[in-house]
Amino acid sequence: EIVLTQSPGTLSLSPGERATLSCRASQSLSDNYLAWYQQKPGQSPRLLIYGASSRFTGIPDRFSGSGSGTDFTLTISTLEPEDFAVYYCQQCNNVPYSFGQGTKLEI
Amino acid sequence: QVHLVESGGGVVQPGRSLGLSCAASGFIFSSYGMHWVRQAPGKGLEWVAVISYDGSNKYYADSVKGRFTISRDNSKNTLYLQMNSLRAEDTAVYYCAKWGAVTMSLDYWGQGTLVTVSS
Repeated sequence: EIVLTQSPGTLSLSPGERATLSCRASQSLSDNYLAWYQQKPGQSPRLLIYGASSRFTGIPDRFSGSGSGTDFTLTISTLEPEDFAVYYCQQCNNVPYSFGQGTKLEI
Repeated sequence: QVHLVESGGGVVQPGRSLGLSCAASGFIFSSYGMHWVRQAPGKGLEWVAVISYDGSNKYYADSVKGRFTISRDNSKNTLYLQMNSLRAEDTAVYYCAKWGAVTMSLDYWGQGTLVTVSS
């Protein structure tokens, strides 16, 4: 089973700042099938990034993903108030399609 | 637009069974794999199970293997999760999610249904 470790657990920033979230896999994701999701309180997760670096439909361009192999990053270039949420990475290379434990982005 | 609506959640005693449904619309249901993902109260996301577009392949998390069964009825555009021998640790919001053939990720999610296992 591939284990995903996200860091930091909590990230405290202000609107207008840049956020960098990390996701590390216990083994290489050969096809870079790494996705990022955003979840706000009381809501379902929403797909932001797929294939490590491609933005999903309707996702603002302030969200970007990068990385390959075992190390992946989600960057939010300029934080908007609505971006404060929990972010999860997920590997879709191998069953079980594990999630990271999440990073809470707080003001 | 893609719409996924889960139902069937509720309170159930340990050791009992419960079945969940997920009604899909807005896409060709029979062409896509479907997943169940759960989230215990205040916790992170846990992948539960996947079923291929035609139901021929199914995979489960170790935590539910042998107790949960994923299935689908393409004629009814509905996904199911039969949960047997329920435990307190199965308490969670259960989401169904559509597999994106292009995105190779879970591109659309339902609103979730809460299952509480308690005596």
